[in-house]
Amino acid sequence: DAGVIQSPRHEVTEMGQEVTLRCKPISGHNSLFWYRQTMMRGLELLIYFNNNVPIDDSGMPEDRFSAKMPNASFSTLKIQPSEPRDSAVYFCASRFRVTGDGETQYFGPGTRLLVL
Amino acid sequence: GQQVMQIPQYQHVQEGEDFTTYCNSSTTLSNIQWYKQRPGGHPVFLIQLVKSGEVKKQKRLTFQFGEAKKNSSLHITATQTTDVGTYFCAVFSGSARQLTFGSGTQLTVLP
Repeated sequence: DAGVIQSPRHEVTEMGQEVTLRCKPISGHNSLFWYRQTMMRGLELLIYFNNNVPIDDSGMPEDRFSAKMPNASFSTLKIQPSEPRDSAVYFCASRFRVTGDGETQYFGPGTRLLVL
Repeated sequence: GQQVMQIPQYQHVQEGEDFTTYCNSSTTLSNIQWYKQRPGGHPVFLIQLVKSGEVKKQKRLTFQFGEAKKNSSLHITATQTTDVGTYFCAVFSGSARQLTFGSGTQLTVLP
């Protein structure tokens, strides 16, 4: 299995530009998570999906951030317009959730975003 | 959601010395997971603890879950340079049981 795939791996953009991050979860997984990691705030959960449906987006910083999961094998995280404080590493993770706890989350390699 | 405090934030050790990181919660946990993130890498699952007082070992790594299921520790015996990275504990919270991560302990091993 290829694991969780994210693209691009690196992104440098200018303030005000739109940024789209992409994620392909592990085949067969039914939950997908978007995280943001910074030195100041650590690893933060932004949003997660169960069976392609957004469950909780309370971690999304503001309306400039949006996420979609049109099907079980693809998700996007969009920032429009981007700002320098959005610079971070964005991770996508997936898992197969049945019932209860205990499912391992598998992280993608991350997208390193720099907004100038 | 569920919150965990993780200490220390940073730890520098000489190669061969031991290392321990701790996670503490004010509430009883159903279980706890541990992840390792190498510099420039992504978090990788290490282990899950479920039972009160549980102890699990992976080579030089020993994981413990407290009797009250409110704390956990990761101990590395005789650290090696390959142990460098940030170690996170993570707990389930919310109705959909999403993971909440501790702040992590960044381990540096000096050769």
